[in-house]
Amino acid sequence: GENVEQHPSTLSVQEGDSAVIKCTYSDSASNYFPWYKQELGKRPQLIIDIRSNVGEKKDQRIAVTLNKTAKHFSLHITETQPEDSAVYFCAASKWWEGKLIFGQGTELSVKP
Amino acid sequence: GAVVSQHPSWVICKSGTSVKIECRSLDFQATTMFWYRQFPKQSLMLMATSNEGSKATYEQGVEKDKFLINHASLTLSTLTVTSAHPEDSSFYICSARFTGELFFGEGSRLTVL
Repeated sequence: GENVEQHPSTLSVQEGDSAVIKCTYSDSASNYFPWYKQELGKRPQLIIDIRSNVGEKKDQRIAVTLNKTAKHFSLHITETQPEDSAVYFCAASKWWEGKLIFGQGTELSVKP
Repeated sequence: GAVVSQHPSWVICKSGTSVKIECRSLDFQATTMFWYRQFPKQSLMLMATSNEGSKATYEQGVEKDKFLINHASLTLSTLTVTSAHPEDSSFYICSARFTGELFFGEGSRLTVL
């Protein structure tokens, strides 16, 4: 089955700096890669996603890149703000299945 | 966006009792729902896929007799933790897909004493 590895497990940056979180996946049949932000005790919230027919996607300060050959994808957050502090999860799935396999999570801390 | 609601949001029970958690899609029909478990400071682990009108599909290592899933209607899936023990204490979250996006319930925090 699919296995998703996520790094780093914790990340601390200064406000205004960029943050990068990386994930690798094992199943070459996976074709949908969402990123979620989860605050303590809350449900995960989708922040951006990418499908395998696209190499990069951007939404304001957030971007995701995908390298299908290497089976890895990354989340980039620019101009970080304290409210970006949360746990971020990457995930992978086969679109038609719908079920997500999550990475281990990255606890991002943005210091003012 | 679509709304998925879980109930209860938190529950405390004694060891050996059974607990039922409900997952509802409020404004759309969901033939498939997914159940996840999340231990503190850990990731979401897929437990099972709930299929309306048929048996759930469990992930490897998940005890189907312990975690009973019923998806009797297009808007409701239930997870029953049978004979709960302290190690079953966790955050249980359901999700359902609508127009291609997965929406999560609020989660249910189970504490087994």
